[in-house]
Amino acid sequence: DGGITQSPKYLFRKEGQNVTLSCEQNLNHDAMYWYRQDPGQGLRLIYYSQIVNDFQKGDIAEGYSVSREKKESFPLTVTSAQKNPTAFYLCASSNRDRAYEQYFGPGTRLTVT
Amino acid sequence: GQSLEQPSEVTAVEGAIVQINCTYQTSGFYGLSWYQQHDGGAPTFLSYNALDGLEETGRFSSFLSRSDSYGYLLLQELQMKDSASYFCAVWGNYGQNFVFGPGTRLSVLP
Repeated sequence: DGGITQSPKYLFRKEGQNVTLSCEQNLNHDAMYWYRQDPGQGLRLIYYSQIVNDFQKGDIAEGYSVSREKKESFPLTVTSAQKNPTAFYLCASSNRDRAYEQYFGPGTRLTVT
Repeated sequence: GQSLEQPSEVTAVEGAIVQINCTYQTSGFYGLSWYQQHDGGAPTFLSYNALDGLEETGRFSSFLSRSDSYGYLLLQELQMKDSASYFCAVWGNYGQNFVFGPGTRLSVLP
């Protein structure tokens, strides 16, 4: 079955620690995206990548970093510089010329105390 | 920049029809998408409109008017399982940006 996996589903960290969220897809999509969603809010784009070894900042990239070394994988690191990291993080992928149809993973709920 | 507006909440009864509106501002408009998200779940793609008019997919239809920068999602024969948040999203800036609206929470009452 093709799809996107994110792990873990829930993650707890102490302030000051970096944490890396995993995102893997086997849909053979070129483009991958990371979004942040706060309670009752829409999705805000953190980073996106349209091809291996290339990625672009989204609207709220400060305090986050990504890598795209393989087509299937797009991990997101939430650094200690991110002022308010507690949120629901969603990874998505799409064909590069069909960005309007994105497939989402189940999400990771990160809590930082 | 790009911005989208949607009503924050809509309530309807089972079996009814409901329309969720979306207005947007963007340059280099390519099209408008709709996504459904149940509480605690991931968004799922519903529809996409690049041209003016109505697109129908089962009980759901989506409409676009490019000249009015306006679209809507129409849900017919509402079921309890349709209770969810619905997001419009604009593909703009000549295909370089994809931005989600704030979402509309639909509650379907028995």
